[in-house]
Formats: sequence, structure tokens, C-alpha cells
Amino acid sequence: NAGVTQTPKFRVLKTGQSMTLLCAQDMNHEYMYWYRQDPGMGLRLIHYSVGEGTTAKGEVPDGYNVSRLKKQNFLLGLESAAPSQTSVYFCASTQQGAGQETQYFGPGTRLLVL
Amino acid sequence: RKEVEQDPGPFNVPEGATVAFNCTYSNSASQSFFWYRQDCRKEPKLLMSVYSSGNEDGRFTAQLNRASQYISLLIRDSKLSDSATYLCVVNGRDSSYKLIFGSGTRLLVRP
Repeated sequence: NAGVTQTPKFRVLKTGQSMTLLCAQDMNHEYMYWYRQDPGMGLRLIHYSVGEGTTAKGEVPDGYNVSRLKKQNFLLGLESAAPSQTSVYFCASTQQGAGQETQYFGPGTRLLVL
Repeated sequence: RKEVEQDPGPFNVPEGATVAFNCTYSNSASQSFFWYRQDCRKEPKLLMSVYSSGNEDGRFTAQLNRASQYISLLIRDSKLSDSATYLCVVNGRDSSYKLIFGSGTRLLVRP
């Protein structure tokens, strides 16, 4: 049981390049989330999904797209990277049900956009 | 105003000290409350949930005051290994189980 995994762990991009971050979970969770964390800002929600085939915008969705084609995977795409997207990206998943909102996080992806 | 506010610290305390962190939240409809711990360059991990009646887990005690929209975390007999950033977290207002994170309070425990 690996929990939540993220690929890659670290990446350097040039402005304008594109990339996809992969999140995978083996806990059969319905809900998955993508966050970014910047110094002094805490975690901010980018996009989330409440089930396979569904996605929704979070607090800071601009410049990102997501897809949830399979229940266990949640992909975050950057079509044209900008230096402002330099950040640490965390994926998380959770179970359904009141009182079970504990979110389990992946180890993070560190992205540097030059 | 941020939805969840915390003192960023850092709190620099000696081993064995008792330290308390506070947090306020703005949405009175929030239903669930948590403290997460985040070590340097690592992912956040759940430390404990916070219940209205207050709850304790070993050296850690969490309290919730709904009337004041205030959450606290007390750490007794601090250990070097407690050095980390502590994130105050509340749930969102809808059924998507979204969580709102505070920016964290950093704790440094010195020998």
C-alpha cells in the first residue's frame, strides 16, 4: 500500500514549456486534490475532483488544467509554464463521509520555472 | 482577511517546555477542524482532529471554541522531534470535503 505517490519529484522548466504532474493513490479514494504551497502562503487549492470523470476549480486554477480519467489517477497540467508557477505541488486524496475528511498527501513535486 | 489565520512564529522553546498555538477561522459554518504537522520539505500529515469537547493524544491537546471561532493546540514536554510547522485546518462549506489551510506556525525546540 503506497498511499499517494507523485511523479516527478523535481522538475525545471523554461517559460512557455508544458508538463504534466501525475498523482496516483491506491486507497480507492473518491476525492482528490491538487495544491500549491509557496513560502508564507500555506497550501492553496488549485483543482479538485469528487470522482472519476469529474473536476472542479479551486482557489487558484488559472494556468492549470486537470483530468481524472481513472479513479486512482489525477493529472495536473501546465500548458505554458510561467515563473509565477514555481512552487511545491502537493496532491491529496480522501475518503467520503462526515468525519472522514482526513486528507492523505503525496510527497510533493518541486517545480522551478526559469 | 484569510479564512484561517495563525501566528507564523517561529516559536523557539527549550526541550521540556509547554507551548501553545492558536488559530482563528472566519467561516462559522465550518464543521471539521484539524491540526496537521509539516516537516521541512515534506508533505503535511494529520496530527489530530479537533472536537468541541476537546481531545488529547499523549502530549498534545487540542481545543475548539465555536463561539469565538478559535482553535488551539497545546504541546507539553516538548521534544526536539516536535520541531516542525503546525498547520491549522478547517473544512470547506460544501460536500467536496475541501480543506482550508492556515499558513502554519513554525516550532523550533532547542536542546
